[in-house]
This record gives sequence, structure tokens and C-alpha cells, in this order.
Amino acid sequence: EVQLVQSGAEVKKPGESVKISCKGSGYRFTSYWIGWVRQMPGRGLEWMGVIYPDDSETRYSPSFQGLVTISADRSISTAYLQWSSLRASDTAMYYCAKLANFGVDYWGQGTLVTVSS
Amino acid sequence: EIVLTQSPATLSLSPGERATLSCRASQSLSRSLTWYQQKPGQAPRLLIYDASNRAAGIPARFSGSGSGTDFTLTISSLEPEDFAVYYCQQRGNWPLLTFGGGTKVEIK
Repeated sequence: EVQLVQSGAEVKKPGESVKISCKGSGYRFTSYWIGWVRQMPGRGLEWMGVIYPDDSETRYSPSFQGLVTISADRSISTAYLQWSSLRASDTAMYYCAKLANFGVDYWGQGTLVTVSS
Repeated sequence: EIVLTQSPATLSLSPGERATLSCRASQSLSRSLTWYQQKPGQAPRLLIYDASNRAAGIPARFSGSGSGTDFTLTISSLEPEDFAVYYCQQRGNWPLLTFGGGTKVEIK
């Protein structure tokens, strides 16, 4: 069974850093792109970027380039999304997603990041 | 950049009624259009891929149609569990995806 299990909720202050994770199982982790999706409170889905765990090739959507860093550790089948300096506007639910050739076939359960002073 | 426009933003219907959701692309997608369902407090779920192919375990009351720039998701007879938000998605800049703004199907 394919599963993407994300790390738990985070509560941070503006300016702090955070790294959230997404562990894949039940499939060959290195053979499929993993993406990250932002959903701000009461809003729609926004595609942030992707990583190919086999060689760590990374692509970012223009709106998120330079604002976040996506990485992966193939040895433990885990992808990461990190911020070096959070802002209140980063408060959102973040989903990781396994890509098939048409889009997302499996989703993580989501990680809520709350940034508040 | 290809933009997806979903309409209506909100659809108010009663159980048993037919729901017709639209997704319009700013450029031709051929048949490369995917639909997802998201219920409150849950991650999205894959419904339809390549415009008309139901994902595994999706009931037959869900159907997708269209090609080029105009696509439709139809729910033939709404069940109580179908009231949710529906998103379309295109993969024109693979592997960077784009979502539409969503259509909320609410109970009338």
C-alpha cells in the first residue's frame, strides 16, 4: 500500500526556521517525483515545487522560487520542505504528493504550519 | 502559463440532483486534465485523470468529459458524501502542475 506520512503540526514565530517531512512507503521512492502543495486557510491548492528523489533534481513554481527549499534523503525515503525565515503569510496546510504521469495519485495527510508572534 | 478557470464557484444542490462542474483552460490541454475532490479537514483525493478516466475505487456516478479547453465533471446523482470542493488540474509544465480555483458543491 502506497503511503505518504507527514510530520506533525508546527507553531513558529516570524523569522524562525522550520523543516517539515514526508516519508514515502509502499513504492519505489526514487522513481517518482514528489511535490509540495500549499493550502492557505479557506483557500485553494497551490503547487509549490517538486523533487525527483533519485538525483534530487528540483523545480519550483515561480511564486515559491527563493522562498522555500525542497530536498530529499533517498536513503530514508523522505522528502522535505523548509523555510529559513517564516512569515505570518506562510501559515497554511502543506501537503506532499506523489506524482503519476497525469498528476497526483497519492497525497500525504498534511502538515499545518502556524506562524504567529 | 496556462490558467484554469472553474465555474461556478459554488453550486447549491440537493441530494439526488445532478451536478455539472466546469473547468476552462486558457490554452488547449488535449485531454490532459485531472479532477480531485477535497472534503473539509482532509487531503484531496484523485477522482478523474486524462479527462474521463475514473481512478480506482471512484463510484460510477462520477464522470469526466471534454478536451481542448473545456472540461466537465458530472456527478449524476449527488450522495451526501459528495458535498465537497472539487479542483481541476493541468500538467502543461510538467512536473509543475496548476490547479483551478475550485468549485464548492454545497447542500441546498
